[in-house]
Amino acid sequence: DGGITQSPKYLFRKEGQNVTLSCEQNLNHDAMYWYRQDPGQGLRLIYYSQIVNDFQKGDIAEGYSVSREKKESFPLTVTSAQKNPTAFYLCASSIFSSGVQPQHFGDGTRLSIL
Amino acid sequence: QKEVEQNSGPLSVPEGAIASLNCTYSDRGSQSFFWYRQYSGKSPELIMSIYSNGDKEDGRFTAQLNKASQYVSLLIRDSQPSDSATYLCAVRSGGTSYGKLTFGQGTILTVHP
Repeated sequence: DGGITQSPKYLFRKEGQNVTLSCEQNLNHDAMYWYRQDPGQGLRLIYYSQIVNDFQKGDIAEGYSVSREKKESFPLTVTSAQKNPTAFYLCASSIFSSGVQPQHFGDGTRLSIL
Repeated sequence: QKEVEQNSGPLSVPEGAIASLNCTYSDRGSQSFFWYRQYSGKSPELIMSIYSNGDKEDGRFTAQLNKASQYVSLLIRDSQPSDSATYLCAVRSGGTSYGKLTFGQGTILTVHP
């Protein structure tokens, strides 16, 4: 079945450690996005990518990095510079990045500090 | 002023009633509007999208858009306990090339038997 797969479901980070969250989609979507959700809040955009080998910062990119080497993959690295990484991380994709196309979400990764 | 603001909630309605969820947005050039449902601990799922002024109906759900008032709402008829969730309003602004969605903070809906 087509969809967006995020892994792992739960992740724990030690102080000073970088961790990478995986996002893979087999929907043949061009655009992919990373969001962060804190308890009781809406989603905030971290990074987005419209095409392979290109990506742009969202509203809260500091302390995060991404790559887009393949159309179907958009991994997010939470670096040690991100001092408050505990959150629910959501990956989304859409057919195109503009117009009326909705975004569809993966199941998310919960990241906590050890 | 927040870019996208939802009625604060939580909202509690009895089973079978109409639940009304409201959302206002600040960017007058916004083009597309979406309602997502998010169950506790789960990811958001798209339930409605609307692009033109007026009403759009899909089963028990009706989205209403008024661009002049910068207002979008979601009505849930014959509310069921399974509708209990957080509802997120998302707005795609016009004039941006990458389709950024701005989300409201969400409204928690509880439907009690």
